[in-house]
Amino acid sequence: DTEVTQTPKHLVMGMTNKKSLKCEQHMGHRAMYWYKQKAKKPPELMFVYSYEKLSINESVPSRFSPECPNSSLLNLHLHALQPEDSALYLCASSPRDRSSGNTIYFGEGSWLTVV
Amino acid sequence: KNEVEQSPQNLTAQEGEFITINCSYSVGISALHWLQQHPGGGIVSLFMLSSGKKKHGRLIATINIQEKHSSLHITASHPRDSAVYICAVWRGGADGLTFGKGTHLIIQP
Repeated sequence: DTEVTQTPKHLVMGMTNKKSLKCEQHMGHRAMYWYKQKAKKPPELMFVYSYEKLSINESVPSRFSPECPNSSLLNLHLHALQPEDSALYLCASSPRDRSSGNTIYFGEGSWLTVV
Repeated sequence: KNEVEQSPQNLTAQEGEFITINCSYSVGISALHWLQQHPGGGIVSLFMLSSGKKKHGRLIATINIQEKHSSLHITASHPRDSAVYICAVWRGGADGLTFGKGTHLIIQP
């Protein structure tokens, strides 16, 4: 199983809503990532979890709140978002070990629209 | 100046043509990825390179560590190759990929 599974695929939410994006991998990878991608732009790193601990937060607004309940799951909790937060949110995972540490797998992404 | 530069930004070619996309980077890296993204959104890693050359089907990727340059070649291009191709690097000691801006490739029948 070399899949990173993201749900939901599409999400429309109002600016006062609270919602969550979910990401799951069963490859035993120890690093998981959230990226944000706007149209016709490359992905931008938001958060990195390494061994279930938040290791990088790229100055992301607090209306985005990541959570790593266990080594297979990564959530992104959304609250009081703005229309400019509408984007494709990509989850990725990587082993980050000596033998295959630089491989990376991406999910299909969650398309978020904030209205 | 971006740490990872790709060229061209856009490329339209006829089916069957040989395609080359270039990537130059200015930082120390532990590995370089060539990624493919279709309009549906998902990203697939086509190659991971730390030296030399790799081939998979009609795709070939090369890297020159001394010159900090990599190329992705597509032989006998096909309309299904139409996608955005992104060069991305793992920087030494850092986490998360650093991405180029991508090359939007269209192969016309």
